Amino acid sequence: GAVVSQHPSWVICKSGTSVKIECRSLDFQATTMFWYRQFPKQSLMLMATSNEGSKATYEQGVEKDKFLINHASLTLSTLTVTSAHPEDSSFYICSARDLETGSSYTFGSGTRLTVV
Amino acid sequence: GQNIDQPTEMTATEGAIVQINCTYQTSGFNGLFWYQQHAGEAPTFLSYNVLDGLEEKGRFSSFLSRSKGYSYLLLKELQMKDSASYLCAVLNQGGKLIFGQGTELSVKP
Repeated sequence: GAVVSQHPSWVICKSGTSVKIECRSLDFQATTMFWYRQFPKQSLMLMATSNEGSKATYEQGVEKDKFLINHASLTLSTLTVTSAHPEDSSFYICSARDLETGSSYTFGSGTRLTVV
Repeated sequence: GQNIDQPTEMTATEGAIVQINCTYQTSGFNGLFWYQQHAGEAPTFLSYNVLDGLEEKGRFSSFLSRSKGYSYLLLKELQMKDSASYLCAVLNQGGKLIFGQGTELSVKP
């Protein structure tokens, strides 16, 4: 089935630095990638929708200048957390849908970000 | 607005049957998904319903009633490894997958 590869799986960074998270769709083209954030014992909250070749659309309350999304190709989307703060520590997950094979949304393995 | 409700936690016994309910009110409806998520891992797909009725897949079944804005996930012959969080998610008319808060299921011997 469709696979989405997400890297890194975990990262620790200092406050004020930036962190880039990559998601690649393997064996299929993802024109749209979704980025979620999940705090402990909470559900997935949609942050933004990444569209290949155009600007991402952000959900209400998500700072677009802080969470930079780039969807440079049909198989790669990146999320950069800029000037990270401890409150940005969370589990970030991407998701894509392979329109050719079915209705299921495939998730990346997630990135555990800890800002110290 | 968009609202998806499911119980926060449930407990069941190994070998038993458990039903996890989900009610929703969303901007449009293009299907309902159930996912299983173990702590620290990404969600894994369990089922997808877009028409009313019951979909059965092995030990797991999922039911949908669009008129009532209601779905449930039925797990039979519970095993210890079924202890996880179960997420109900609705695909809205904007093509976005919106999640409920998840139900933490504990299976006890």
